[in-house]
Amino acid sequence: DAGITQSPRHKVTETGTPVTLRCHQTENHRYMYWYRQDPGHGLRLIHYSYGVKDTDKGEVSDGYSVSRSKTEDFLLTLESATSSQTSVYFCAITTGTGYNEQFFGPGTRLTVL
Amino acid sequence: AQSVTQPDIHITVSEGASLELRCNYSYGATPYLFWYVQSPGQGLQLLLKYFSGDTLVQGIKGFEAEFKRSQSSFNLRKPSVHWSDAAEYFCAVSGNQFYFGTGTSLTVIP
Repeated sequence: DAGITQSPRHKVTETGTPVTLRCHQTENHRYMYWYRQDPGHGLRLIHYSYGVKDTDKGEVSDGYSVSRSKTEDFLLTLESATSSQTSVYFCAITTGTGYNEQFFGPGTRLTVL
Repeated sequence: AQSVTQPDIHITVSEGASLELRCNYSYGATPYLFWYVQSPGQGLQLLLKYFSGDTLVQGIKGFEAEFKRSQSSFNLRKPSVHWSDAAEYFCAVSGNQFYFGTGTSLTVIP
């Protein structure tokens, strides 16, 4: 257990509204990641962070922004939610360097109507 | 470019039978390779990893995987499948980022 929690665990929202998902870790790991999981696509990287205020884009970053003002929290914001962003979102951390295995949170199921 | 291919979308095996899930990767250097398992409604759990050394790696729950550089493969195996192994399995490669395959769904029939 890497001490990762995500909130909320489930959310239903409407198109055009902003949504923020939170990932919290308790072990001061440097690297944190946000993925989305969709049938037939596996997990795709949205954004990642390699330290406080240090973030970078992943494969599917359009429509998403992130912030990391504290080591333990990594926030994912959907600036104006669309139905195509209905998905399950997973946060992950890496111990040590960014090449090591990743450990995942329990996920947030987001539905955009 | 890095990529991971899991050619089997869905596999069905009988309980007690052997299992092999295929994974092929594309990566220029020596890869770091991983297998994860995901039960319905759950997050991903690490089964095993390969960084270097012995090409046959042992993992949790009786799983093993063999790295074959010549075939760019990292197949997951289990000699005798249990009903509780029914889940989604993901192969991943780590380079500048983590890349996941699209997953193989395993059904176990009694």
